[in-house]
Parts: sequence; C-alpha cells; structure tokens
Amino acid sequence: DAGVIQSPRHEVTEMGQEVTLRCKPISGHDYLFWYRQTMMRGLELLIYFNNNVPIDDSGMPEDRFSAKMPNASFSTLKIQPSEPRDSAVYFCASSLAGGGLNEQFFGPGTRLTVL
Amino acid sequence: AQSVTQLGSHVSVSEGALVLLRCNYSSSVPPYLFWYVQYPNQGLQLLLKYTSAATLVKGINGFEAEFKKSETSFHLTKPSAHMSDAAEYFCAVSEGYGGATNKLIFGTGTLLAVQP
Repeated sequence: DAGVIQSPRHEVTEMGQEVTLRCKPISGHDYLFWYRQTMMRGLELLIYFNNNVPIDDSGMPEDRFSAKMPNASFSTLKIQPSEPRDSAVYFCASSLAGGGLNEQFFGPGTRLTVL
Repeated sequence: AQSVTQLGSHVSVSEGALVLLRCNYSSSVPPYLFWYVQYPNQGLQLLLKYTSAATLVKGINGFEAEFKKSETSFHLTKPSAHMSDAAEYFCAVSEGYGGATNKLIFGTGTLLAVQP
C-alpha cells in the first residue's frame, strides 16, 4: 500500500486566497483525521470522519475552514479566505476501526505558507 | 480531561548512550498511551502503544516504554542510541474511556539529537 497520500506537499499563497488540501487515506481504513501542526500550538486535531461522515469538528478554528469526504478514498480541507496565521503543516491520518485504540497512519503533510 | 506533559523539549545524547524521553499523563479513566516519532519532513509514525495489557511495552527500532500508574508516567527508553534515532517524539493519550472518542491528545514533543 502507498500509505496516506497528501497533495500538494507545499503550498504558498497570498492572504485572501482559497486553499484546498487533499488527502487519500489508506484503502479500507474507515477513520480519517485532519491535524494542524505549528510551533506555537503543537499538533491539533481539526476534524475527523468515520465512514465519510464528519464526527467531531470541534477543533476547526473558525468558519473559514471546511472539510469534506465525498467518498472513502478522498477528503479535502479548504480554507477560504486564507490568512497568514493559517501557515502550518497540515496532516491527514487514517486508521482502521477507531483512532483512539488503533494506530493512526499519517501522511507526509502539506506545508502551507500564507503571505 | 486527559492530557500529557513531555518534560524537555530538546534532549541530546551521544551515540550508544541511553535514551530517556519523559512523559507524564493526566487521566480520570484508565489511559491508553502512545508514542509516535516524526522524522524530518515526514508524518508521524507509531512507535508503541499501551492499552492496559503488559505494563512494559516494546516497540519498533528497539524502543520500549513502561506504564507506571503510581507515577502517572509512560517514559520512552532505548538502551543504545543510534544516529538514525534523531527525530521528534510525541507522547499521546487517547481521549475518553477506552478510546471511545477516537481522538488522541498529543504532547508538545521532544526533539532528540544524537551526537556522534
């Protein structure tokens, strides 16, 4: 298996632009997680899905952030409009049958820079 | 609410020396605990996990951790450091009883440097 795939690996954009991050989880995994990593706040869970349904989005910072999972093999995290404080590394992770007990497999991350 | 505290944001050891990375947890329910490693420019990778079985847990790459309830600790150790161990290490606790919420709460990480 190729593991969790994220694209793009790097994104540089200007403030106010829309940004879309993409994730393909490991085939057969039924949980998908979006995290954000910054020096100041560490690793934060933004949202997670189970069987394509959003279960907990309490970590989404504000309405500018949205996430979708139209099918079992694809998810997006969108920021509109983007702001400099959104600059971070965004990770997607997937797991089988629950991320609280089972290993979460992380993608390589997308490094977002908002100028 | 559960939480983890990692003591020491930076740890430096010599190659061949003992590695000890500290993690203390706070939990009102029996915790499930994890250690993840992050190599430069990569995602996190599971090293080991404790889910209420044996208190001494062995993981990949020669690492192990011991769950000590009396000390609320889950420290990570490796007898002999290798240059390839240089990475950032994260301790995490599963939120909720039995990991019911499917969420992990991560510590702030410890950056391990290995000197030749």
